[in-house]
Amino acid sequence: GAGVSQSPSNKVTEKGKDVELRCDPISGHTALYWYRQSLGQGLEFLIYFQGNSAPDKSGLPSDRFSAERTGGSVSTLTIQRTQQEDSAVYLCASKKNRGAETAEAFFGQGTRLTVV
Amino acid sequence: AQSVTQLGSHVSVSEGALVLLRCNYSSSVPPYLFWYVQYPNQGLQLLLKYTSAATLVKGINGFEAEFKKSETSFHLTKPSAHMSDAAEYFCAVSALGNTGKLIFGQGTTLQVKP
Repeated sequence: GAGVSQSPSNKVTEKGKDVELRCDPISGHTALYWYRQSLGQGLEFLIYFQGNSAPDKSGLPSDRFSAERTGGSVSTLTIQRTQQEDSAVYLCASKKNRGAETAEAFFGQGTRLTVV
Repeated sequence: AQSVTQLGSHVSVSEGALVLLRCNYSSSVPPYLFWYVQYPNQGLQLLLKYTSAATLVKGINGFEAEFKKSETSFHLTKPSAHMSDAAEYFCAVSALGNTGKLIFGQGTTLQVKP
């Protein structure tokens, strides 16, 4: 597609349920990032995938959070046993591999997760 | 460790007035700096970036920013605000380690009054 696509755009879930958030990066972009945007915490890095390398999970807030990237393309962020503090907008971004530090990050529109 | 501080969570200007959004950074090495804009219910869009070439960087929609090492600043300006500039603006620094992950400031919401 032309841009980074995320689904669903909105998700309401009950506390304790598991949720899966999906990200389709721009075709050919090997770097993929997940960020969380919440009131009071701003934009926080969660996880980074680069090609076939082991992901950088240093930003995941707890072991209830996990992510995978299949075939170097689509990524899924899974939150198990959701808590109310997980309510936030989850943003996915992708970059071309070359010059990762300076390359532009292209963001999806995000998934707004509400845990009730 | 690297960090970014945006001074002022909300800035309000009149249409046609100068826009100045402040960003200060902390970095142990020469930083790569970015300004992103987020319109309501949308993702972030790159406005401009500093990658150690020219210190005055021009971006889209008439925005520019100047990298000042002595002041550790990267303030965003626009000479004349338009109503369409109302949005949230984020300053960010590229984290060490060549991963390309971004460390963001807390954001500044720009309000433009008619």
